[in-house]
Amino acid sequence: GENVEQHPSTLSVQEGDSAVIKCTYSDSASNYFPWYKQELGKGPQLIIDIRSNVGEKKDQRIAVTLNKTAKHFSLHITETQPEDSAVYFCAAPPGYSSASKIIFGSGTRLSIRP
Amino acid sequence: GAVVSQHPSWVICKSGTSVKIECRSLDFQATTMFWYRQFPKQSLMLMATSNEGSKATYEQGVEKDKFLINHASLTLSTLTVTSAHPEDSSFYICSARDFPVDFFGQGTRLTVV
Repeated sequence: GENVEQHPSTLSVQEGDSAVIKCTYSDSASNYFPWYKQELGKGPQLIIDIRSNVGEKKDQRIAVTLNKTAKHFSLHITETQPEDSAVYFCAAPPGYSSASKIIFGSGTRLSIRP
Repeated sequence: GAVVSQHPSWVICKSGTSVKIECRSLDFQATTMFWYRQFPKQSLMLMATSNEGSKATYEQGVEKDKFLINHASLTLSTLTVTSAHPEDSSFYICSARDFPVDFFGQGTRLTVV
């Protein structure tokens, strides 16, 4: 089945610097890749997603890149701010159907140092 | 993005009692909803897939008689934890699919005393 690996597990960056989180997946049929942000005591919130026909997508300070050949995708946060501190999860659904369960990465705990 | 409302956000119950958690998609219809359990500092663990109008599909190791799931309409799925015990204390999260995107509820912190 699908396997999603996420690195690093923890990341601490200086406020204003950039943060990069990387994920690899195993199922070549996967073609939708969301990223979620989870704050303490809350449910995950979708922050950006990318489909396999696109190599990069950007939304203000957040960008996601996808390398389908290498089966990896990355989250880039620029000009980090204190409110970016949270746990980030990548995910990949095996296949592409309305009933496929998505597989989450293990999460990255991002801390922004003032 | 779409809104998924989960209630209650927290609940404390006595051991042996049952607790119902609701998950509603507020601005879209969701044929498929999912229920997760999350332990501290861990990723989300899928418990079951809730399909509107049919039986839920449970993941291996999840007791279907203990965690009852009902998806009676396209906007509502419920999870009932029956005969709750302290080991059922956890953070439960639902999601609703507006294909291909999954939107999550706020989560429910269940404490069984």
